Amino acid sequence: DTGVSQNPRHKITKRGQNVTFRCDPISEHNRLYWYRQTLGQGPEFLTYFQNEAQLEKSRLLSDRFSAERPKGSFSTLEIQRTEQGDSAMYLCASSLLEVADTQNEQFFGPGTRLTVL
Amino acid sequence: AQKVTQAQTEISVVEKEDVTLDCVYETRDTTYYLFWYKQPPSGELVFLIRRNSFDEQNEISGRYSWNFQKSTSSFNFTITASQVVDSAVYFCALDTGGFKTIFGAGTRLFVKA
Repeated sequence: DTGVSQNPRHKITKRGQNVTFRCDPISEHNRLYWYRQTLGQGPEFLTYFQNEAQLEKSRLLSDRFSAERPKGSFSTLEIQRTEQGDSAMYLCASSLLEVADTQNEQFFGPGTRLTVL
Repeated sequence: AQKVTQAQTEISVVEKEDVTLDCVYETRDTTYYLFWYKQPPSGELVFLIRRNSFDEQNEISGRYSWNFQKSTSSFNFTITASQVVDSAVYFCALDTGGFKTIFGAGTRLFVKA
């Protein structure tokens, strides 16, 4: 399967613990996005990478959140000192930049559902 | 400010009915992209269509059609002869060529047999 994959699919943690999620995009895609989705809402943008460079971060992303894409392939999203309000589905998506200043469709992974107790 | 409004929270239809999902967007940019995505009960968002701001042609793909009107800032989606498998949450999204895609809150469509 050559789609976007995310691990783990589910994570239950206690408040105050750190968690890390992984996203493997479609291999030739140079753009990678992280979103958060809560029940009954659309995905909310968190951050964006073009290759290994993190080019945009949402104001939603507090200092407890950090994302990396070290070699321009897979990405990790870490949440430190989790809070109950962090409970959500965390979605990863990738796309291919072919022409500058254009936007192609994004391919989404199945998400990681985080529950903070 | 950029915004996407999907005023219909839930729509329920009977199979074979036509249904239109509304999307209204706000942006001051002259170049932008609009998208529709489908999120079935299994959860994974699936791309349906992309439109750029310079292409106002309507599009038809099988039972799906899209009506883009810049004059009213709308990008509506119609499903003809709906089927149970069309039941899902549908999201309209806006991208102004930067890195941030703005999604609407979604419209949940129920198609009853």
